[in-house]
Amino acid sequence: KAGVTQTPRYLIKTRGQQVTLSCSPISGHRSVSWYQQTPGQGLQFLFEYFSETQRNKGNFPGRFSGRQFSNSRSEMNVSTLELGDSALYLCASSFGGQGADTQYFGPGTRLTVL
Amino acid sequence: GEDVEQSLFLSVREGDSSVINCTYTDSSSTYLYWYKQEPGAGLQLLTYIFSNMDMKQDQRLTVLLNKKDKHLSLRIADTQTGDSAIYFCAEDYSSASKIIFGSGTRLSIRP
Repeated sequence: KAGVTQTPRYLIKTRGQQVTLSCSPISGHRSVSWYQQTPGQGLQFLFEYFSETQRNKGNFPGRFSGRQFSNSRSEMNVSTLELGDSALYLCASSFGGQGADTQYFGPGTRLTVL
Repeated sequence: GEDVEQSLFLSVREGDSSVINCTYTDSSSTYLYWYKQEPGAGLQLLTYIFSNMDMKQDQRLTVLLNKKDKHLSLRIADTQTGDSAIYFCAEDYSSASKIIFGSGTRLSIRP
């Protein structure tokens, strides 16, 4: 079974630009969660999508948004990029049901903002 | 509030056992997880334990859970150089339906 894939793996952008990251979950998984990982803040939860609806949201500004398609693939968008947005962005998929819902992570997209 | 705490670094000699500790806050957590992250890679699920268990063993890995103290540990027996990574503890924060991660413990192996 193929794992979680994320594209692109690396991105370099400049301040003020916007960026879209993509995540394809494991087949059969309906939940996709996004995380930001930085050396200073560690791993922080951005949001979770389940069946095309945002189900949970972390404490990030509105510049960070996402969506999920009917095939469970998800995209994350960051507008008006700031230097502090440089990070590894990880997505994780799971079945999304109640109870045990182990998440499986993709390799991440490393975003560098210059 | 939500908080999962881990020590930042651990150094062990090759062949010894490594014990990585974690404390969490949500007493109603259903599952607790250990993830491994190697350089340049995403997080890999190592193992998890149900909150009604005290111990889970999986080959070289042993997870111990003390619910009373909200303390979780991961023991790696016969630590090898390939075990060098950052290990994240995570809890299933049920009241918010999300998973909260610790800051990660960087495990380094010395010869």
